[in-house]
Amino acid sequence: GAGVSQSPRYKVTKRGQDVALRCDPISGHVSLYWYRQALGQGPEFLTYFNYEAQQDKSGLPNDRFSAERPEGSISTLTIQRTQQEDSAVYLCASSLWGNTEAFFGQGTRLTVV
Amino acid sequence: QKEVEQNSGPLSVPEGAIASLNCTYSDRGSQSFFWYRQYSGKSPELIMFIYSNGDKEDGRFTAQLNKASQYVSLLIRDSQPSDSATYLCAVIGGGYQKVTFGIGTKLQVIP
Repeated sequence: GAGVSQSPRYKVTKRGQDVALRCDPISGHVSLYWYRQALGQGPEFLTYFNYEAQQDKSGLPNDRFSAERPEGSISTLTIQRTQQEDSAVYLCASSLWGNTEAFFGQGTRLTVV
Repeated sequence: QKEVEQNSGPLSVPEGAIASLNCTYSDRGSQSFFWYRQYSGKSPELIMFIYSNGDKEDGRFTAQLNKASQYVSLLIRDSQPSDSATYLCAVIGGGYQKVTFGIGTKLQVIP
């Protein structure tokens, strides 16, 4: 596609429910990144993929968070048993490869009530 | 020490002036440096990238990199009210691919 597409744009969920956030990167982009951004803070790294391989998941806060990119294109970030502290904007970005510039999607604003 | 440090601001400049935004990083092996602009409620938008020491100019924007001092800056000439936003510095460290962001500097251009 022309840009990075994320869905849903907004998600309100009850504490304890599972949520799945989707990211469709720019066509042909090898690298895909997930970030989380709290109000007034910079994006916080969660994980990234090259093709379908998860290269670094050191930023995932705990084992309730997981991500996959099974066919090297669309990625899903899943949060199990959501907690209020999971409320944030979740950003996805993609880049052609490695150390090149990354382009962001519009983000998913997650609110856990 | 944070990996990427920025002053959160706000930095206020009058319209038409030069805005100077600064960033320092801790990983001496860092290779790639980016500036993103983020309007309130929007996602970050790439405005500049720089890989080599020195200056890189693009329109009203100039990125400056000094690897010896582990310092990268962004200059905005002829600042406009529409430049009012948060500017995020991002760095890719040496030996790996993770992009680390600073907290961002809020810029206010006063008409």
